[in-house]
Amino acid sequence: KNEVEQSPQNLTAQEGEFITINCSYSVGISALHWLQQHPGGGIVSLFMLSSGKKKHGRLIATINIQEKHSSLHITASHPRDSAVYICAVGPSYSGGGADGLTFGKGTHLIIQP
Amino acid sequence: EPEVTQTPSHQVTQMGQEVILRCVPISNHLYFYWYRQILGQKVEFLVSFYNNEISEKSEIFDDQFSVERPDGSNFTLKIRSTKLEDSAMYFCASGGDRGAEQYFGPGTRLTVT
Repeated sequence: KNEVEQSPQNLTAQEGEFITINCSYSVGISALHWLQQHPGGGIVSLFMLSSGKKKHGRLIATINIQEKHSSLHITASHPRDSAVYICAVGPSYSGGGADGLTFGKGTHLIIQP
Repeated sequence: EPEVTQTPSHQVTQMGQEVILRCVPISNHLYFYWYRQILGQKVEFLVSFYNNEISEKSEIFDDQFSVERPDGSNFTLKIRSTKLEDSAMYFCASGGDRGAEQYFGPGTRLTVT
C-alpha cells in the first residue's frame, strides 16, 4: 500500500511569493496527480505526470521517479491561489494493484494580499 | 466543457436508512470511481468500475455499499443501512482510460443523524 506524504501541511505566504509544495510516496506508481480543492469542497485536477516536468500558467509540477518525490510550484502567487493542494498517486499496473488513487492529506495554502 | 455532475449536493438521512448518491460521468468516459472524504481527513478510494463491473474496491467498501450503472449515463453509489460514520463528502470521478486523468464531480455531502 502506498503512503503519500505532503509537506508542509499549512503554508501562509504573501502575494507574489514563490510557493513550493512537496509530495513523496513509498511505492512505485503509474502516475502522480496534483489536485486543487477549494473551500466549497470541489476537486479540480491540475496535473497528471509520470516523468519530468509540466507547466500550466503559473503552476509547475515536477517529478523524480527514482527519488519517489514530486513538487508543485506556484510562481507570482495570488490570493485566488488560496486552496488545499492535494497530491495523489495511481498504482503501478505491473503489480496488478487497484486503480483508485491514493491521496495525501493536502497542503492548506493561504496567500495574503 | 464536459463535466461530471452529482446529485444531490447535500443529503441528510437518519441512521439505518438507505441512500443512493447519483453521478453522471463525462459521456465518453469508461472508468468510474467513488471516493469519500470525512470532514478534516484525506480523500479515500472506495471503488472503481469498468465494463459494468467493479474493478477494484477498498476495505471501506463493505457489504453495505453497492454501485450500479443502471443506464448509459448514470453511475450510482448505494449505502444500504447508513451509519453515523458514513457522514462524509462523496466524490464521483470518471476517466477516459485506466490510469488516465480523473475528472471529479462537485461532491455530495452526506450527513447521517
